[in-house]
Amino acid sequence: DVQLVESGGDLVKPGGSLRVSCIASGFTFSNALMTWVRQAPGRGLEWVGHISSKTDGETTEYAAAVKGRFTISRDDSKSTLYLQMTSLKSEDSAVYYCTTIRLKWGASSFDHWGQGTLLAVSS
Amino acid sequence: DIQMTQSPSSLSASVGDTVSITCRASETIGSYVNWYQQTPGKAPKLLICVASNLHSGVPSRFSGRGSGTDFTLTISSLQPEDVATYFCQQSYSPPYTFGQGTKLELK
Repeated sequence: DVQLVESGGDLVKPGGSLRVSCIASGFTFSNALMTWVRQAPGRGLEWVGHISSKTDGETTEYAAAVKGRFTISRDDSKSTLYLQMTSLKSEDSAVYYCTTIRLKWGASSFDHWGQGTLLAVSS
Repeated sequence: DIQMTQSPSSLSASVGDTVSITCRASETIGSYVNWYQQTPGKAPKLLICVASNLHSGVPSRFSGRGSGTDFTLTISSLQPEDVATYFCQQSYSPPYTFGQGTKLELK
């Protein structure tokens, strides 16, 4: 079974940095396109960004709200996805989910989700 | 950015009812819409991809249709375990935006 386990969420002061991780199992991680999605408390879902496989150049793409502050990376030897967050703002407070991306019928969908890790940005 | 507008924002129905949730895109997006279900305290789950294709393991009482700008998720014969918030999402172009969600409750 596919499992995604996020960790690293914490309480961080505005302007601070944090790295959260997502350990994957049950599939060939090195071939997978992966994404981060966040959800502020009581709010909707927001796509943060994604990373392609090494074969596809580990290409990344980000939402405008995080571009230049957040970096997605992967370590295929550890089946782990990372989200490095810097210059954190209160509006970055959210549960951060990692998901796999399924490509089928020429379209993508987020088919497996972790349980999420909580980031709170507050002084 | 493509805006996804869901309606209603909440609805209440009885066990056995058929309910529908609509999602309107701010521009035409073909069939590039996915639907997700999120129960309280849990991560979202994929229900339907590419507007009408049921994801593996999803009960057949869930169905989706639409293309262009207007999409619908229908739940037939509502069950207690369907109490959740439902989100549409466009996968046409980044940023891959979601609707604001529809909270479904039982009467």
